[in-house]
Amino acid sequence: AQSVTQPDIHITVSEGASLELRCNYSYGATPYLFWYVQSPGQGLQLLLKYFSGDTLVQGIKGFEAEFKRSQSSFNLRKPSVHWSDAAEYFCAVGGATNKLIFGTGTLLAVQP
Amino acid sequence: NAGVTQTPKFQVLKTGQSMTLQCAQDMNHNSMYWYRQDPGMGLRLIYYSASEGTTDKGEVPNGYNVSRLNKREFSLRLESAAPSQTSVYFCASSERGASGANVLTFGAGSRLTVL
Repeated sequence: AQSVTQPDIHITVSEGASLELRCNYSYGATPYLFWYVQSPGQGLQLLLKYFSGDTLVQGIKGFEAEFKRSQSSFNLRKPSVHWSDAAEYFCAVGGATNKLIFGTGTLLAVQP
Repeated sequence: NAGVTQTPKFQVLKTGQSMTLQCAQDMNHNSMYWYRQDPGMGLRLIYYSASEGTTDKGEVPNGYNVSRLNKREFSLRLESAAPSQTSVYFCASSERGASGANVLTFGAGSRLTVL
């Protein structure tokens, strides 16, 4: 079955600290992988995506993610978190079909 | 540059009432989607339309109907609302890129409460 697991429901980091949000997926074919961010009361904004090629992808707002096929993971990282990064983050997987499967999200809080 | 526009942003219904959520996109995308977002459950696909004139069920279609009115518009109808349909609804659109992947662009959401 196709699925996405985000094991951390809620993470709190201090401003300036590094961040890693975990994402594991189960997908039968070659996956397309995405990270979206949702600020309170807003829609989802695409942070970055992986289709093929270099397994380390760069996104907006200083975020990056690394695709590890052997671990079925696509973890999101940022070297130094800003207070404005507080939001909910969703990992998603899709393929050649139109269906995108989302994880349950990780809520990030940033302490001053 | 509007992107994906959803109306209304907020709605309160009584059990048994009907309503339609409207969605329009101005990016000339072929595919459109309706998702619902519930706490702790992420986003779940209700229905999608791969192209004008086609619609398909997603993960949670029961209690909903959709209409792809034209290439721009994709509406979601609740014929007889139930409290279990209290949720935030997101419309999205996409175009398949050269890689074969669909990258979704989302609307701002519609918060629906059913009493």
